[in-house]
Amino acid sequence: GAVVSQHPSRVICKSGTSVKIECRSLDFQATTMFWYRQFPKQSLMLMATSNEGSKATYEQGVEKDKFLINHASLTLSTLTVTSAHPEDSSFYICPGGTGCRNQPQHFGDGTRLSIL
Amino acid sequence: AQTVTQSQPEMSVQEAETVTLSCTYDTSESDYYLFWYKQPPSRQMILVIRQEAYKQQNATENRFSVNFQKAAKSFSLKISDSQLGDAAMYFCAYRSVLNNTDKLIFGTGTRLQVFP
Repeated sequence: GAVVSQHPSRVICKSGTSVKIECRSLDFQATTMFWYRQFPKQSLMLMATSNEGSKATYEQGVEKDKFLINHASLTLSTLTVTSAHPEDSSFYICPGGTGCRNQPQHFGDGTRLSIL
Repeated sequence: AQTVTQSQPEMSVQEAETVTLSCTYDTSESDYYLFWYKQPPSRQMILVIRQEAYKQQNATENRFSVNFQKAAKSFSLKISDSQLGDAAMYFCAYRSVLNNTDKLIFGTGTRLQVFP
């Protein structure tokens, strides 16, 4: 149970392209989705928190117009990297939460984004 | 703000032996959760073990156990009877209970190598 599916797993795009990443909870209602970014050999850094039906909360230093987040349903959150550049190349991963504090978050398999 | 520190960038262990990974954290809160996640080369994030701060008993999951020292703000992971499949990055993570957020704060990770 508590499976999160992330798509695509790997994407290679030209600079200037906008890329959409989907994070879907398959067997639970994810009231909250978290978007993390991980650069090579580094830790996971939270970019933003998306709440179903409301605006996402972005961490300091993360451009909300660059990284568009939509969480329109309890099972789907999307992250769109607009006009991506090589410095946006990273591993993006999303855990989902049910809103129950005693339940751990469950991670998708992540998306490896490479911008040429 | 809470911080998580993993002071060992790399550790190694012989197969079947025991290894301990260190983690310290800083918080002014009295109630929180602590986690150890494993990230193999596939970059999935796999929950290894979790500890609720209000519980004095150390969590155990098969070959994995923790030494939770709340006063010292220490949360080490012990892996017994190490197996080749245990080789991965291990991240310690903190999650607040009191704040209105479920976000995880990660340490910088420890790369564990297991030698046959």
